[in-house]
Amino acid sequence: EAQVTQNPRYLITVTGKKLTVTCSQNMNHEYMSWYRQDPGLGLRQIYYSMNVEVTDKGDVPEGYKVSRKEKRNFPLILESPSPNQTSLYFCASSSIPGHLYGYTFGSGTRLTVV
Amino acid sequence: QKEVEQDPGPLSVPEGAIVSLNCTYSNSAFQYFMWYRQYSRKGPELLMYTYSSGNKEDGRFTAQVDKSSKYISLFIRDSQPSDSATYLCAMSELSSYGKLTFGQGTILTVHP
Repeated sequence: EAQVTQNPRYLITVTGKKLTVTCSQNMNHEYMSWYRQDPGLGLRQIYYSMNVEVTDKGDVPEGYKVSRKEKRNFPLILESPSPNQTSLYFCASSSIPGHLYGYTFGSGTRLTVV
Repeated sequence: QKEVEQDPGPLSVPEGAIVSLNCTYSNSAFQYFMWYRQYSRKGPELLMYTYSSGNKEDGRFTAQVDKSSKYISLFIRDSQPSDSATYLCAMSELSSYGKLTFGQGTILTVHP
């Protein structure tokens, strides 16, 4: 089944403890992106990648890192999480520019930082 | 002011009703317009996409774009309880390099 898989689905962590949210797609897509979703703010882009080793910042990149060493994987790294990073995170991918024809989204990771 | 404004609702309608969901935007460079549907505890799924102004129909769903007014709409005919979800509009510029700008989402409930 074609899909974007995120892990974990739920995570509670403490301030300052480094964590990684994994994202993997099995559709051979070039484009991948991370979004966070907050009440009243909608989905906001954190980082995006147009291909292996090509990444760039979105609207809210502060406090996040990404890497794209393989086409299928696009992990999101929080080096020192803070409570304001408590949010619902989505990874997305597309074979053609996702901003033109839409992304396929994962099921989300709900992160709580205490 | 947000680039994209969407009435969060919630919107509650009886089964069979025609539903109208709307977004306004301020960036005149937006050319690509999409509607996503998001069920509870799921990721958004692409419902419709359109380029520039005009209408697009797919079954019970019709997307309209009016670039002169900076206004887009999604109409759902003969609404069903299975249409109950959050609907998100999204849009982008040609040179966005992968970036979609989303509205806040409208929560829709269709009751039997």
